[in-house]
Amino acid sequence: NAGVTQTPKFRVLKTGQSMTLLCAQDMNHEYMYWYRQDPGMGLRLIHYSVGEGTTAKGEVPDGYNVSRLKKQNFLLGLESAAPSQTSVYFCASSSMGFNYGYTFGSGTRLTVV
Amino acid sequence: ILNVEQSPQSLHVQEGDSTNFTCSFPSSNFYALHWYRWETAKSPEALFVMTLNGDEKKKGRISATLNTKEGYSYLYIKGSQPEDSATYLCASPSGYSTLTFGKGTMLLVSP
Repeated sequence: NAGVTQTPKFRVLKTGQSMTLLCAQDMNHEYMYWYRQDPGMGLRLIHYSVGEGTTAKGEVPDGYNVSRLKKQNFLLGLESAAPSQTSVYFCASSSMGFNYGYTFGSGTRLTVV
Repeated sequence: ILNVEQSPQSLHVQEGDSTNFTCSFPSSNFYALHWYRWETAKSPEALFVMTLNGDEKKKGRISATLNTKEGYSYLYIKGSQPEDSATYLCASPSGYSTLTFGKGTMLLVSP
């Protein structure tokens, strides 16, 4: 089983460019999440989805959009990249309820210059 | 935003030492407490999901306890090995379906 797969693994963007990060899971999980990891800040939730066709804002949603057109995929978009969005992005998925741990992807390291 | 605090921020021990660290979380409306292990250059992996006051979970040399009334959980590692070097995260539910993570305790075990 692949689990949670993130693409790309690395990317360098120029300020103002746009891009989409793809997260795919093969565990039939209902819930999917996008977090960003910055030094000294811990994992912060950007957006999440509780099912196909649904999305919701997390702690730091500004500058990002998401879509979940298919249950297995959760896309994170940067419309106009800014240097403050330089970070490591992690996607995660889980079954419904807090009795289940999250399964994380391997991360995407994004640098905006 | 839910406050999940972990201490210490980092820890350096020698191989064979036993160690422990703390996760503090709001004790009201408790649902669950998660522990994750995060090795450098990898992604976080779930260690334990704890749901009951007084719960104790064990995986090999790693164990965790939970006190929901006072809002804390301890993670213990017995006889630390270099391969235990990682950041250990705890997380608590912060809404209908999301977790808030602490900033983690970074453990370094020297041979």
